[in-house]
This record gives sequence, C-alpha cells and structure tokens, in this order.
Amino acid sequence: DAKTTQPTSMDCAEGRAANLPCNHSTISGNEYVYWYRQIHSQGPQYIIHGLKNNETNEMASLIITEDRKSSTLILPHATLRDTAVYYCIVREHLISNDYKLSFGAGTTVTVRA
Amino acid sequence: NAGVTQTPKFRVLKTGQSMTLLCAQDMNHEYMYWYRQDPGMGLRLIHYSVGEGTTAKGEVPDGYNVSRLKKQNFLLGLESAAPSQTSVYFCASRPTGIYGYTFGSGTRLTVV
Repeated sequence: DAKTTQPTSMDCAEGRAANLPCNHSTISGNEYVYWYRQIHSQGPQYIIHGLKNNETNEMASLIITEDRKSSTLILPHATLRDTAVYYCIVREHLISNDYKLSFGAGTTVTVRA
Repeated sequence: NAGVTQTPKFRVLKTGQSMTLLCAQDMNHEYMYWYRQDPGMGLRLIHYSVGEGTTAKGEVPDGYNVSRLKKQNFLLGLESAAPSQTSVYFCASRPTGIYGYTFGSGTRLTVV
C-alpha cells in the first residue's frame, strides 16, 4: 500500500472550515483514498473515500489532486465534536475484494471555541 | 439498527486466564476484523474473516484465536492471557464492494 504523510496536529476555530492535508505521492492507479477519524476512547468512524474525483457526503468533502499525489479532507463547519484523530489511508481493492486497513499516526485535530 | 456490538466493554484478567470477546453485527456484512490499539499507537490487525466459516491471520495473530461460525458473529479468544495483551480491542465489519468499515465501541482489556 502507498505510504501517507499527514501533519501531526492542527487547530481549527469552531464554525470555520477545517482543511486536513494528506500526501500519498506513491499512490498507484487503482488505490483509493480513505478517511477515518477516532474520537477519544471511541472506535474509528468512516468519513469518506475517493479514487479520482472529488467526493462529498453529509460529513465532509474530499478533494483529490489531478495527479492523485495528495488530497484534502474538508470539514465545512467544524464543531467541538469534530475534535479527533483523523487518519488518511490509501488502499487497493484486491481481486479477492478484501482489504485490510493500516492505520498510521494520523492528524490530531483540535477544534477550539 | 445497532451496527457493531462488542461485549464485554471492560474486563480485567489474571495472567494465564482465558476469555472470549464477542463481536456481533446486524448489517449482514461479509467481512469482519479484529484490531488492537495500544496507547498512543494506531490500530493493528489481529485476525479477519471474509465470510462465514473463514478466518485468516493479520499482523499480530500470536496468542489469539478466532471463529466465525455464524455470519453475524466474530469471536476473539485468548487462551492464556499475558500482560502484553493489555489493550483496547476493536471489531469492525464491512460489506462486499468499495465501502468503509463500521467499528464497534471497543473492549478495554487489562491483564494483571
């Protein structure tokens, strides 16, 4: 799987957009970008995923650069409840249709009032 | 729809004791996984299953066994607990296709 690089931590003001970067310069053509988050003491929560195109759901938007070497997760209006560790993961979907996620250190996002 | 339910939520074991952690999902997901998370670290895959009756080893399988006799349940067993197995254990499941995982809320296990 391609390696990802994320900042260790970042702060965000409540009500503002939070932009979380992720570098994955060795990503291959059939690898997807996934984002998860883990709020303290809870299980990880799936946020969004994408291959080439930008994606949006009720939680966030995912912007993937044209060369696919980096991406940005956008939380449009951050709230205090968005304080969490955010994981960017790159993973290929194998022919067997199974995959195993490898969670790294992630970015600790702190939303401040 | 309860999602993924883990029992128990907390447990303290003495070294050498055995126990079974239960993971149950009501979403008819094919794939199920057991992870462990140690303080300040990411998740590490212990075992996983790609369907009823199947199991496979992950990154850190030693000291654990699993079974998936029913599609909705994935059991993680510790035959002889060791202090190194003190951790938070998370179960996850997902359907076939390109979807994210659904995680349980975790089991906090302490081995003394």
